[in-house]
Amino acid sequence: AQTVTQSQPEMSVQEAETVTLSCTYDTSESDYYLFWYKQPPSRQMILVIRQEAYKQQNATENRFSVNFQKAAKSFSLKISDSQLGDAAMYFCAYRGGINTGTASKLTFGTGTRLQVTL
Amino acid sequence: DADVTQTPRNRITKTGKRIMLECSQTKGHDRMYWYRQDPGLGLRLIYYSFDVKDINKGEISDGYSVSRQAQAKFSLSLESAIPNQTALYFCATSTGGLADNEQFFGPGTRLTVL
Repeated sequence: AQTVTQSQPEMSVQEAETVTLSCTYDTSESDYYLFWYKQPPSRQMILVIRQEAYKQQNATENRFSVNFQKAAKSFSLKISDSQLGDAAMYFCAYRGGINTGTASKLTFGTGTRLQVTL
Repeated sequence: DADVTQTPRNRITKTGKRIMLECSQTKGHDRMYWYRQDPGLGLRLIYYSFDVKDINKGEISDGYSVSRQAQAKFSLSLESAIPNQTALYFCATSTGGLADNEQFFGPGTRLTVL
């Protein structure tokens, strides 16, 4: 079974600084996708960034980027130039590729609560 | 208008009561999901449906049932609610097939069972 581990229950960053949230996963599948979701106080789940396992290049979305280390099964999220609006719970999630038994079923980590201070 | 809606947004009920949470979507997606979120546990899959005639159990389906009334509607029922079903419930949708690369979540329903 696939597992996703987020070992940092809480993190804090100063406005304009950079923070990295950690995520590791375990799978025997070779085809899969990884995601970071943001959940602000409004509780809406918002997709921040996704990474296809077959792509070597790390995904980037504006101030958000990932460090995908496939051999180490690590998928960290870096937030640059942190803003007050980045304060939220962040979830790492895994999904198997289309031909796997876990296709379309997201497995989530337990989340990291990010605080942004002035 | 939101693409994925959930009703009610908040609900307080008593132990033993039957309750239904509803999800509707206007995205035209085939696949729909119900997740439960508990503090410290992340989101866990309860049930999922790939089309109206295809319903599957997730990792924590005990105590829950679902109904896919139409492509756009997917309901979650608690036949006899118990306090440990107090949680935040999310509905999600996705396209399926080769383009199935993202799940879109509703705003969540906060359920409290007293």
